[in-house]
Amino acid sequence: DAGITQSPRHKVTETGTPVTLRCHQTENHRYMYWYRQDPGHGLRLIHYSYGVKDTDKGEVSDGYSVSRSKTEDFLLTLESATSSQTSVYFCAISEPRTGGRTEAFFGQGTRLTVV
Amino acid sequence: AQTVTQSQPEMSVQEAETVTLSCTYDTSESNYYLFWYKQPPSRQMILVIRQEAYKQQNATENRFSVNFQKAAKSFSLKISDSQLGDTAMYFCAFMKSSSGSNYKLTFGKGTLLTVNP
Repeated sequence: DAGITQSPRHKVTETGTPVTLRCHQTENHRYMYWYRQDPGHGLRLIHYSYGVKDTDKGEVSDGYSVSRSKTEDFLLTLESATSSQTSVYFCAISEPRTGGRTEAFFGQGTRLTVV
Repeated sequence: AQTVTQSQPEMSVQEAETVTLSCTYDTSESNYYLFWYKQPPSRQMILVIRQEAYKQQNATENRFSVNFQKAAKSFSLKISDSQLGDTAMYFCAFMKSSSGSNYKLTFGKGTLLTVNP
């Protein structure tokens, strides 16, 4: 299994509070991603990183920020959590390979509930 | 932008039978990858099978195989000899294969498959 650890695994927070989710990888992969999973929507990309300090927005980035100061860590921050951000959050990593074997590996997910 | 459509929100199959999950996608790209991911109740995202668009041969992995129709932009998953452990949500996903794409995945909304004993 790919070495990806998300923390925390579960969190309940109050509306308006800041929240940071952490993704840690031991695979030295260049690309890292944050997705959110909601019923009826599949997984949607929030932000991604293509290297240390190199990040960009995905399709549902409003209300989220990210940082990547080291290859192994990718942080997702909700500056002021809202109930619409209640979701399951997945971190993924990827590294392009020759021969068509590029794929993404996923962490275990974090269930975030905003009350 | 790419879109991925899974038209079957839920499906069920009897144990040991065969089931096919549908996926269509829309893209103007010629080089890309397609994936099926399985998400059991544990929530873990597990890669089931991958297909490179430049390959005409359909990918197979044990009981799992795909029917890749590039011109029709269709990528269905066939599960043979279904097992209770195949009960899961299945996601179809698209990835452009160029470095400029940053290898982002676009997912369908998923198909919940239940295997009945």
